[in-house]
Amino acid sequence: VQLVESGGGLARPGESIRLSCAASGFFFPSYNMNWVRQAPGRGLECVAYIDSSSRTIFYADSVRGRFTISRDNAKSEVSLQLNSLRAEDTGVYYCVRNQNYGGVIPFSEYWGQGTQVTVSS
Amino acid sequence: DIQVTQSPSSLSASVGDTVTVTCRPSQSVSDYLNWYQQKPGEAPKLLIYVASRLQSDFPSRFSASGSGTEFTLTIKYLQPDDSATYYCQQTYFRPHTFGQGTKLEIK
Repeated sequence: VQLVESGGGLARPGESIRLSCAASGFFFPSYNMNWVRQAPGRGLECVAYIDSSSRTIFYADSVRGRFTISRDNAKSEVSLQLNSLRAEDTGVYYCVRNQNYGGVIPFSEYWGQGTQVTVSS
Repeated sequence: DIQVTQSPSSLSASVGDTVTVTCRPSQSVSDYLNWYQQKPGEAPKLLIYVASRLQSDFPSRFSASGSGTEFTLTIKYLQPDDSATYYCQQTYFRPHTFGQGTKLEIK
């Protein structure tokens, strides 16, 4: 299993960035996916979730209305569009694969290496 | 969002010691509780899932228990490589929220 993020970088407040995650080593269409971020020296925050069929999507309150998660099962990719960026969006963004124990209880065994997003004027 | 409180926020212990970290979700999450280990510059690694199931990458010195609103992670016979930050995460309510982390220093 590999999850490889790309697209991070430096942006000014109000600008946009698109993150992508290329998945390999497993049947991507069967798995729900998350984006988890970590601000500098801070803890972990699930910012977006998308189920395997793109029918169910959740966002953290802190990003709802500004970020959009999407996936392309044919390409085994999940993306996160970050709009109206703020300084507090700065951090490492991880692409994370969800799986369910017993078909019910979610946990995340596989994480990408993360991509850095820095929002600064 | 469900608040998840971890304690302590940091601790220091010696090689061979036993330490315990506590995680308290603000509402009952049944056994929908996972633990992760994170070392500086690395992505988090799954340590425990479904409250008490040890991920195969880790030795049996690591154990966890709990249900509802109180969970514990115990590390016995501490080794230098256990130095890391440990996070709990509830996955019963969306969004899946993490505790603030417990930084473990090995003296």
